[in-house]
Amino acid sequence: KAGVTQTPRYLIKTRGQQVTLSCSPISGHRSVSWYQQTPGQGLQFLFEYFSETQRNKGNFPGRFSGRQFSNSRSEMNVSTLELGDSALYLCASSLFPGNNEQYFGPGTRLTVT
Amino acid sequence: DQQVKQNSPSLSVQEGRISILNCDYTNSMFDYFLWYKKYPAEGPTFLISISSIKDKNEDGRFTVFLNKSAKHLSLHIVPSQPGDSAVYFCAASVPYQAGTALIFGKGTTLSVSS
Repeated sequence: KAGVTQTPRYLIKTRGQQVTLSCSPISGHRSVSWYQQTPGQGLQFLFEYFSETQRNKGNFPGRFSGRQFSNSRSEMNVSTLELGDSALYLCASSLFPGNNEQYFGPGTRLTVT
Repeated sequence: DQQVKQNSPSLSVQEGRISILNCDYTNSMFDYFLWYKKYPAEGPTFLISISSIKDKNEDGRFTVFLNKSAKHLSLHIVPSQPGDSAVYFCAASVPYQAGTALIFGKGTTLSVSS
């Protein structure tokens, strides 16, 4: 069974631009969560999607948004990029919400210059 | 304020010895904890978990201990191997707006030397 895939793996953007990251969960997994990893803050929860609906959202500004499609694939979008948005963005999938054993993708490394 | 804390950013041990990674949490309502391991350029990989109804869970070389009164858990790796060198994250499953979400500590980098 293929694992969680994320595209692109690396991205360089300029301040003020916007970016869209993509995540394909493990086949059969319907819940997708997004995390931001930075050296100073560790892994921070961004949001969770299930059945094309955002269920939970972490403490991030409205510039961070996401969506989920009917095939459970998910995208996250960051608008008006700031230097502090440089991070590794990780996607994790699980069978259903509340299933604690989440399976992570390799992440997208975003650099904002 | 951090709800899950890993106070040691790094740990170095020799091959064959025991590695002990520690994690503290702030809320006594947290009732499920997980450890993840992360290699560079890869996503975290689930390692082992423990429910608050237990005080110990074992899986091969990995054992997690939970001390609810101290709000503390630890991961023991015995014996440590060079391939165990990675960043280890402690996580708690916490109540959220709808259901639960995982809250992670900042991680501990384990280096096992041969």
